[in-house]
Amino acid sequence: GIQVEQSPPDLILQEGANSTLRCNFSDSVNNLQWFHQNPWGQLINLFYIPSGTKQNGRLSATTVATERYSLLYISSSQTTDSGVYFCAVDYTGTASKLTFGTGTRLQVTL
Amino acid sequence: GAGVSQSPSNKVTEKGKDVELRCDPISGHTALYWYRQRLGQGLEFLIYFQGNSAPDKSGLPSDRFSAERTGESVSTLTIQRTQQEDSAVYLCASSIPGQKSGANVLTFGAGSRLTVL
Repeated sequence: GIQVEQSPPDLILQEGANSTLRCNFSDSVNNLQWFHQNPWGQLINLFYIPSGTKQNGRLSATTVATERYSLLYISSSQTTDSGVYFCAVDYTGTASKLTFGTGTRLQVTL
Repeated sequence: GAGVSQSPSNKVTEKGKDVELRCDPISGHTALYWYRQRLGQGLEFLIYFQGNSAPDKSGLPSDRFSAERTGESVSTLTIQRTQQEDSAVYLCASSIPGQKSGANVLTFGAGSRLTVL
């Protein structure tokens, strides 16, 4: 099956810093989503981004499908950004089996 | 409903007992997914339902696991003869499949935390 690798596995930032999270995948995909899991376990969809670039406030994401990677940018980080960031991909065209990466654990400190 | 609802939020059971976990998806979402997340780990796909199509059960780890869905509404995940290795958070998600904007975006419930003693 498709392999999804995320880096870095752990990241500690001071409030206000910027960061880039990376997701590499081993096969062509037609569905890629980024999620944030907060410290209470709730998963929130951030982006549906099989290709191109999207922005939502301080967050933006870029997927270069031909090179099999996606990047999540967090600018001016806040303590509420802490948690685990997952990318998930699907290559069957139906989102029937999103395969999740192992995640990047982010801690933002004051 | 407004979001994906899961129950119970917490379940503690003894090894060997059967458990049922329930998921109520967002109204109108024809696709429903179950995932398992062990402590500190990523999400493992278990099963996918889409409308009246045969479910994709390829992620179920053993024949002790089964799931049903009535039409496009509630789903139950049943684990028989629970083992300690079944301890995890079981997450349900729903979505609208298709090509339109906003389709295929998964909305997750808060999860059911299962502890097998």
